Amino acid sequence: GAVVSQHPSWVICKSGTSVKIECRSLDFQATTMFWYRQFPKQSLMLMATSNEGSKATYEQGVEKDKFLINHASLTLSTLTVTSAHPEDSSFYICSAHPGARSEKLFFGSGTQLSVL
Amino acid sequence: QKEVEQDPGPLSVPEGAIVSLNCTYSNSAFQYFMWYRQYSRKGPELLMYTYSSGNKEDGRFTAQVDKSSKYISLFIRDSQPSDSATYLCAMSAGNYGQNFVFGPGTRLSVLP
Repeated sequence: GAVVSQHPSWVICKSGTSVKIECRSLDFQATTMFWYRQFPKQSLMLMATSNEGSKATYEQGVEKDKFLINHASLTLSTLTVTSAHPEDSSFYICSAHPGARSEKLFFGSGTQLSVL
Repeated sequence: QKEVEQDPGPLSVPEGAIVSLNCTYSNSAFQYFMWYRQYSRKGPELLMYTYSSGNKEDGRFTAQVDKSSKYISLFIRDSQPSDSATYLCAMSAGNYGQNFVFGPGTRLSVLP
C-alpha cells in the first residue's frame, strides 16, 4: 500500500519559535497533499491544499502567514508553524493523493505540537 | 443538515461481537466512499474503499454503500480489542482528493 511518512511525531517548542513538519510520500508521487488539524475527540479539519510547484490554497479562517506550506517536489510537502503560540498546540496530519490512479487519500502518522 | 452524519458514539461491544458503523450523507454527487480507522494520536488508516453502490469484503470487514438511500455501513465481524479505535467515514465526488468530506468519527471500544 501507499505510505506517507510524517515527521516529527511530536514536538515541544517555546512560544514565539517556528516549527517545521515534513510530509513525504514514500512510494508514489503526490501531486496534491493536504494538511489538517485535529483537536481531541474531533474530526479532521482541513487547513490547506498543497499542489506541487504552486501556492497552497488555504481554507477560510486559516492564516497563511502563520501556517506556511511548501510543496517543492512530488514527494514532499512541509508545514511551518511560524511564531507559534500555545493556541497553535494541536495534532497536525498530512495526507497525499496519488493522482489519476485512484481517489484514495493516504495519511501520515500525525504530529503532536505542544507550544509552551 | 450536515453533509455527512455519523454517530460519534462511544460504542462499546464485547469481544467477538459484530459491529455495525454507519454514515448518512446528503450530496448525491459522492461516488467514492471510504472507511478509515484512527488510533489515538495516529493518522487515519484506510480500511475500505468503494466506488458507487455495492458491497465489498476484506477479511473481517465488510463495507456497504446504498446510494439510493445515501447510506453507507461498515461491519466488523468477530471484533477484537485491537479494533478499538475511531472509525471515520469519508466520501468524495472524485476530484483528485479535493473536497473530501469526513464524518466526525465513531469511537469504538471492544472489551475483552
